[in-house]
Amino acid sequence: DAGVIQSPRHEVTEMGQEVTLRCKPISGHDYLFWYRQTMMRGLELLIYFNNNVPIDDSGMPEDRFSAKMPNASFSTLKIQPSEPRDSAVYFCASSLVSDTQYFGPGTRLTVL
Amino acid sequence: GENVEQHPSTLSVQEGDSAVIKCTYSDSASNYFPWYKQELGKGPQLIIDIRSNVGEKKDQRIAVTLNKTAKHFSLHITETQPEDSAVYFCAAHAGGTSYGKLTFGQGTILTVHP
Repeated sequence: DAGVIQSPRHEVTEMGQEVTLRCKPISGHDYLFWYRQTMMRGLELLIYFNNNVPIDDSGMPEDRFSAKMPNASFSTLKIQPSEPRDSAVYFCASSLVSDTQYFGPGTRLTVL
Repeated sequence: GENVEQHPSTLSVQEGDSAVIKCTYSDSASNYFPWYKQELGKGPQLIIDIRSNVGEKKDQRIAVTLNKTAKHFSLHITETQPEDSAVYFCAAHAGGTSYGKLTFGQGTILTVHP
């Protein structure tokens, strides 16, 4: 069984550019989570979906961040415009009904 | 909301020794407590979890204990090996309106010296 798939694995961009991160959850899972990890702030939950509907986006830093889940097998996290302080590793995770979350390998974002 | 505190932030042990990592949580409604191991360049991987109706759970060299009264839970690794070196995260999950949401501790960097 394939785990959570994220792309790209690495992204380097310049300040002001739009960045789109992609996630494919484990098939059949009905919860999808986006996290950001930095040394200073640890693992932060940005937003999560249940059955493709956003449930809690209180962790989204500001309006520059947006997330969508158009169907059960795909989600995107977009940053527009990007800033150097957005540099971090972004993880997607999914779970089935209950609480056990399975993480993807992450996308390392560097904004110059 | 939920707040999870994890200690210590770094832990260094000799191969074969035991390692213990402790976490406290604030929301008495929390009912699920997973532990994740994160190796360099990888995503967190679930290693063991415990639910509020159980006081202790063991899986080979790792065990987790839960004290709901005191609102703390611990990870125990026995007979540590160099491949146990990683960052370990505890987390707490509350039900109710926060269903589905995990709150993570700050992580413990475990180093096992051969």
